[in-house]
Amino acid sequence: DAKTTQPPSMDCAEGRAANLPCNHSTISGNEYVYWYRQIHSQGPQYIIHGLKNNETNEMASLIITEDRKSSTLILPHATLRDTAVYYCIVRVEGGATNKLIFGTGTLLAVQP
Amino acid sequence: DTEVTQTPKHLVMGMTNKKSLKCEQHMGHRAMYWYKQKAKKPPELMFVYSYEKLSINESVPSRFSPECPNSSLLNLHLHALQPEDSALYLCASSQTLGTGNEQYFGPGTRLTVT
Repeated sequence: DAKTTQPPSMDCAEGRAANLPCNHSTISGNEYVYWYRQIHSQGPQYIIHGLKNNETNEMASLIITEDRKSSTLILPHATLRDTAVYYCIVRVEGGATNKLIFGTGTLLAVQP
Repeated sequence: DTEVTQTPKHLVMGMTNKKSLKCEQHMGHRAMYWYKQKAKKPPELMFVYSYEKLSINESVPSRFSPECPNSSLLNLHLHALQPEDSALYLCASSQTLGTGNEQYFGPGTRLTVT
């Protein structure tokens, strides 16, 4: 699996968009970008994933650069409840030996 | 119902005790996972079950013994643990191994070994 690099921490003002970057310069053509988050003392929560097109769901948007070497998770209107560690994971979709490998992630602190 | 439940929420056990952690899901998922998470670290995979059969054991010490008695239930039996085994133990599930990148996690059991 390709390695990902994320900043260790970021701040965002409540109500503003939070843009979380992820570098994955060694990503292969069949690897997807997945985002999870973990709110303090809870289990991780799946957010979104994509291959090369931008994706949007009720939680967030995922923007993947044309060369697929980096991506940005966008929370359009951050709230205090979005304070969490956000993990960017690059994985082949499917496969029999499925292992999610979490990196160190980005701690997003949403400030009032 | 998109919930994975775990019991107990907290567990304190001595090094000579035997205890079990329980995980349950009713989403019809056929892949279930155990992760271990130490403080301020990311989750680390321990075991994967697919269709009630052990698929992956990440070289976990034998003092941790998983069991999947049916498609909805996953247990982790604990015996002769060490203080360094204190951690948050997370259970997760996915539809199958093939869709295992979208995993639903439970809230975890916080284990303290004294």
